[in-house]
Amino acid sequence: GAVVSQHPSWVICKSGTSVKIECRSLDFQATTMFWYRQFPKQSLMLMATSNEGSKATYEQGVEKDKFLINHASLTLSTLTVTSAHPEDSSFYICSASGTSHNEQFFGPGTRLTVL
Amino acid sequence: AQKVTQAQTEISVVEKEDVTLDCVYETRDTTYYLFWYKQPPSGELVFLIRRNSFDEQNEISGRYSWNFQKSTSSFNFTITASQVVDSAVYFCALSGNNFNKFYFGSGTKLNVKP
Repeated sequence: GAVVSQHPSWVICKSGTSVKIECRSLDFQATTMFWYRQFPKQSLMLMATSNEGSKATYEQGVEKDKFLINHASLTLSTLTVTSAHPEDSSFYICSASGTSHNEQFFGPGTRLTVL
Repeated sequence: AQKVTQAQTEISVVEKEDVTLDCVYETRDTTYYLFWYKQPPSGELVFLIRRNSFDEQNEISGRYSWNFQKSTSSFNFTITASQVVDSAVYFCALSGNNFNKFYFGSGTKLNVKP
């Protein structure tokens, strides 16, 4: 199957700093990428959907100015958590899909801890 | 509205027991897809199966089997002769025809004790 990577796998930062998480499709062109957030013992919640070269579409309740998403190429999307606070601590998972795919391929996730 | 319900929050079994994880879904789409994923403690989602709405055949893969019943909107997952390595959180998910939105259930945590 298709492979999606995320970097970093975990990050600890101080409150008020910004953190960038990368999501890469390694062996296919990802026309669409998705970002999910998962709080402990909870399900995955879709934050936003991004198509290459277009602005991301955010789900209701997700602050687009806080969670900046860039999908500048067919293999890379980035999520930047700006001015992170402890309540942003979570597991962030990206997924990607190409035009020939009938599913989403999930990355391994990034665990963010904001102190 | 699209919705996936996994009523079982946590299940504990002893190794070698069979266990069934329930999944009930709601959708207005005539074409849709159902998925099961395994999430071990490492966090990475492991794809287990995809089933489209037109294929109601049950599927077996080793110790895993899936029972898709459109009449009851259910897509249940059975692990036969469970093993400790099966311990994980299992998610059922639903997507529409364009795969642009996945709706995940709340997950079922399976504990398999030796």
